[in-house]
Amino acid sequence: DVKVTQSSRYLVKRTGEKVFLECVQDMDHENMFWYRQDPGLGLRLIYFSYDVKMKEKGDIPEGYSVSREKKERFSLILESASTNQTSMYLCASSLGQVYTDTQYFGPGTRLTVL
Amino acid sequence: AQSVAQPEDQVNVAEGNPLTVKCTYSVSGNPYLFWYVQYPNRGLQFLLKYITGDNLVKGSYGFEAEFNKSQTSFHLKKPSALVSDSALYFCAVRDPNAGNNRKLIWGLGTSLAVNP
Repeated sequence: DVKVTQSSRYLVKRTGEKVFLECVQDMDHENMFWYRQDPGLGLRLIYFSYDVKMKEKGDIPEGYSVSREKKERFSLILESASTNQTSMYLCASSLGQVYTDTQYFGPGTRLTVL
Repeated sequence: AQSVAQPEDQVNVAEGNPLTVKCTYSVSGNPYLFWYVQYPNRGLQFLLKYITGDNLVKGSYGFEAEFNKSQTSFHLKKPSALVSDSALYFCAVRDPNAGNNRKLIWGLGTSLAVNP
């Protein structure tokens, strides 16, 4: 089975802090994604990566950056956390360049910014 | 523009009754369609997908979905609901004509409550 893990289930940070969210997948998937999930807004794509060191902006990239130095690891960075970034963050991965591929999700990180 | 609509924020059904969670889509070509489920305090889990072929797709946990091209719908169904099916359900679509684009377009989710 595909396993996608996220570094923390719950995280509390202060406004202005730099925040790192880590995601690791163990199935050699090419594609990795970061979403945020908010009530009434569904899933919104922040960034995705289709190869090591490659990234593309999603629908809401402002205030975020990403890093993919190794194939299995995709990091989401909040350069200066703000209260409006309080949310559930979900990481996902999918196999390759076949667009029918299923996305597999991690358990999520609930981030609270005070 | 590509879009997905889940017209019901919440669906309530009694245990043992059939359930339907609705999804309609708008894409320019023949769509790839997905259903995911999110149990409380968990990440999303894949249920089923339609790519091509038989319009009736069977998935995990006894769920199935029917692709209806004329109605641009992909409703999720189960013949007999269980209390443990209570969860948040998401429909997603990808337009195969969208080029080198691995993004899915997501619905806002439907909360299913199955009452004992």
